[in-house]
Amino acid sequence: GQQVMQIPQYQHVQEGEDFTTYCNSSTTLSNIQWYKQRPGGHPVFLIQLVKSGEVKKQKRLTFQFGEAKKNSSLHITATQTTDVGTYFCRFGNEKLTFGTGTRLTIIP
Amino acid sequence: NAGVTQTPKFQVLKTGQSMTLQCAQDMNHEYMSWYRQDPGMGLRLIHYSVGAGITDQGEVPNGYNVSRSTTEDFPLRLLSAAPSQTSVYFCASSTLFHTGPDYYEQYFGPGTRLTVT
Repeated sequence: GQQVMQIPQYQHVQEGEDFTTYCNSSTTLSNIQWYKQRPGGHPVFLIQLVKSGEVKKQKRLTFQFGEAKKNSSLHITATQTTDVGTYFCRFGNEKLTFGTGTRLTIIP
Repeated sequence: NAGVTQTPKFQVLKTGQSMTLQCAQDMNHEYMSWYRQDPGMGLRLIHYSVGAGITDQGEVPNGYNVSRSTTEDFPLRLLSAAPSQTSVYFCASSTLFHTGPDYYEQYFGPGTRLTVT
């Protein structure tokens, strides 16, 4: 079956450092979505990637979809305390499977 | 719009008890789903529905029932609660159209934190 690995599981960074999380699939994906969940909150949609090699930016966040559509990354430049939370990827089909998430904590 | 609402926010059950977690959305979304979230396990799909009268199983359906009698409501029933069902439960919805729910943003409710003793 389709498997999605999300790495790392945890990441601790100093405020101002960069952060990257990766989703890797064993099969080609139709699309991928990214969500953020603040501590104690619910997942909130960030972005969707559909095209091979697609890159999208939201302020300090850069999202990338691999050329083979089997992997994706989320990169945050110069982290701030507001970036704290867990970041999930979610890939397509009717069962909408989520990755295990990367929990980001920031040391002020 | 209230979006996706869930009740209750917190619940404590004893082993063997049954209960229903409520989920409602006011966005006229065809697709609704239930997830459970456990530490280190991410979000795992329990059941989902693509419209009124249609439901299907997700990754971890055992011990749970669902029904979809209206577009707005998608209750999750725990038949006989077990400690392994201690978790945070999220309901989510999205539009569907002809390309399927995977192309659309999932809107999540605030969650229900369930403890089974």
